[in-house]
Amino acid sequence: KQEVTQIPAALSVPEGENLVLNCSFTDSAIYNLQWFRQDPGKGLTSLLLIQSSQREQTSGRLNASLDKSSGRSTLYIAASQPGDSATYLCAVVNSGGSNYKLTFGKGTLLTVNP
Amino acid sequence: KAGVTQTPRYLIKTRGQQVTLSCSPISGHRSVSWYQQTPGQGLQFLFEYFSETQRNKGNFPGRFSGRQFSNSRSEMNVSTLELGDSALYLCASSRSGDASTDTQYFGPGTRLTVL
Repeated sequence: KQEVTQIPAALSVPEGENLVLNCSFTDSAIYNLQWFRQDPGKGLTSLLLIQSSQREQTSGRLNASLDKSSGRSTLYIAASQPGDSATYLCAVVNSGGSNYKLTFGKGTLLTVNP
Repeated sequence: KAGVTQTPRYLIKTRGQQVTLSCSPISGHRSVSWYQQTPGQGLQFLFEYFSETQRNKGNFPGRFSGRQFSNSRSEMNVSTLELGDSALYLCASSRSGDASTDTQYFGPGTRLTVL
């Protein structure tokens, strides 16, 4: 059974700092890994999707890497801003079973202080 | 283009009652998935519908059910509510429902509180 773990559970940083969020998964048989952002009272917003054949994806100040063999992904946020404060979730789609569902970690609550 | 909408946004029910939640997907999307989010368990997959057919179901008791209409709108129903059903219920829509290739777009959720 796939399990996704995110460390740390919460992170507080001063504005301008570069930071890394971690995600690990137990079963490396995945189609892709996705990073989402969740703001209070709102749904999830897709940030980056990395296919299993890819090593990284970039969007603006965000860079996500994937090491499928070791079951790890990182989300790098450059020059953090208060507006980046949110919960960040990673999720995988398993290739060994249903490809209709995402298996999520419990998220990292990020606070960027002005 | 309008996003995924969910109604109602907030619900308060008592134990033993039943509840129906609604999700309207993005226009043109034929797949709707439902997830339950709690502080203890995180986000867990409930079920997925495509063209009015349930294609996959998560590990939830039979009290949780759903359906999809011909216009792709979906409802989920929870009968005989328990305190543990208190959660944020999120739906997501996509064109094909194939999460291996298709981006899923989430709604804002319905916050259900069971007293």
